[in-house]
Amino acid sequence: QQQVKQSPQSLIVQKGGISIINCAYENTAFDYFPWYQQFPGKGPALLIAIRPDVSEKKEGRFTISFNKSAKQFSLHIMDSQPGDSATYFCAASSTGANNLFFGTGTRLTVIP
Amino acid sequence: ETGVTQSPTHLIKTRGQQVTLRCSSQSGHNTVSWYQQALGQGPQFIFQYYREEENGRGNFPPRFSGLQFPNYSSELNVNALELDDSALYLCASSLGGDQPQHFGDGTRLSIL
Repeated sequence: QQQVKQSPQSLIVQKGGISIINCAYENTAFDYFPWYQQFPGKGPALLIAIRPDVSEKKEGRFTISFNKSAKQFSLHIMDSQPGDSATYFCAASSTGANNLFFGTGTRLTVIP
Repeated sequence: ETGVTQSPTHLIKTRGQQVTLRCSSQSGHNTVSWYQQALGQGPQFIFQYYREEENGRGNFPPRFSGLQFPNYSSELNVNALELDDSALYLCASSLGGDQPQHFGDGTRLSIL
């Protein structure tokens, strides 16, 4: 059973546009929600993370929105650039647990 | 600061063989986790090591085993290789607890 569900599977955005990737979870014990960016041939790189005590976190062009009641969180990439073209994974874990549960990934393509 | 390094980068084995993958954690990180990433999927947690002891395990059979050394580096051993073991194997290190996990670029294992 997929602990974290991610959509869409793929996304094509024009340069300068907003990319939005959504994730949902069921386990209410989850309290740490990171997003990772992965380029071909590379490992996932931590992009931004949020905990449930805030509803939004922004770092540069990247924003996480978190809705605790709906058990959903999303990544917004503002002013998307061709260099943002990569696969993005959401993940979740709970305090004291050892592992991250990953979504299935979203392949983002930003067209110049 | 040196990041997480993994070796080898690529490996080809045949069914039934055994393989050892290696990981050097980021400087100062005492916790190492291993993940399996099948093509087109998100990483799946195999196990975690802290202070040379296994500290949590995912849904993987006992033929997946590991070690952590006093310098915090780690090995993943897989016995009796099966075709489905073909994947990217990722190592992630952290300071433990709720600290972020940082990934290496992985070892691509192909089983013929």
